[in-house]
Amino acid sequence: QSVLTQPPSVSAAPGQKVTISCSGSSSNIGDNSVSWYQQLPGTAPKLLIYDNNKRPSGIPDRFSGSQSGTSATLGITGLQTGDEADYYCGTWDSSLSVGVFGGGTKLTVL
Amino acid sequence: EVQMVESGGGLVQPGGSLRLSCAASGFTFSNYAMSWVRQAPGKGLEWVSTISGSGGSTYYADSVKGRFTISRDNSKNTLSLQLNSLRAEDTAVYYCAKTEWSFALHYYYMDVWGKGTTVTVSS
Repeated sequence: QSVLTQPPSVSAAPGQKVTISCSGSSSNIGDNSVSWYQQLPGTAPKLLIYDNNKRPSGIPDRFSGSQSGTSATLGITGLQTGDEADYYCGTWDSSLSVGVFGGGTKLTVL
Repeated sequence: EVQMVESGGGLVQPGGSLRLSCAASGFTFSNYAMSWVRQAPGKGLEWVSTISGSGGSTYYADSVKGRFTISRDNSKNTLSLQLNSLRAEDTAVYYCAKTEWSFALHYYYMDVWGKGTTVTVSS
């Protein structure tokens, strides 16, 4: 059971928008910023969003992040088949002094 | 180019030991925390351990505490993970990741990941 809770799967058609939620608690998302990672099939994870809503260089603005209270959301607009991947949220838990990840969400672009 | 290359994975019997290494390049290694994250076959990401830039602070997941030891050699730009008393449930791909971390500013994330090294624990 992961400390952060994500839906196991989401799906949408090409060109559409999708959101992925990440729910935590006051000691993790409520106290530290959230990051999001994209893992394409057979590859290592890649940083997609950091500090709740910042994009590393090279990440298109189709990807966005937000945080409110003890929850965070990843948004992807203009879906492409190449966006099919597993997406993970992560942060630090200040009470447990451990890093934490969500269980991951598999995105299917229909 | 910032890069991490893991090595040291392999097949080991239950109860055995293994030492993973991660060679880092392209950045001032000692200025950054480093982490190990693992992924069991068909499963999600699991945080394993993080070490501060100086090596003076280390943190472990409960599932590996007392069995795994993270360390770093800043003179050689190398991160290590010593795995002892291995169990079948430790079977996973182990990733090394450069970690941006500030307690004061409340951020923690892994901005560059290696390709991983596979550990298989089986008799």
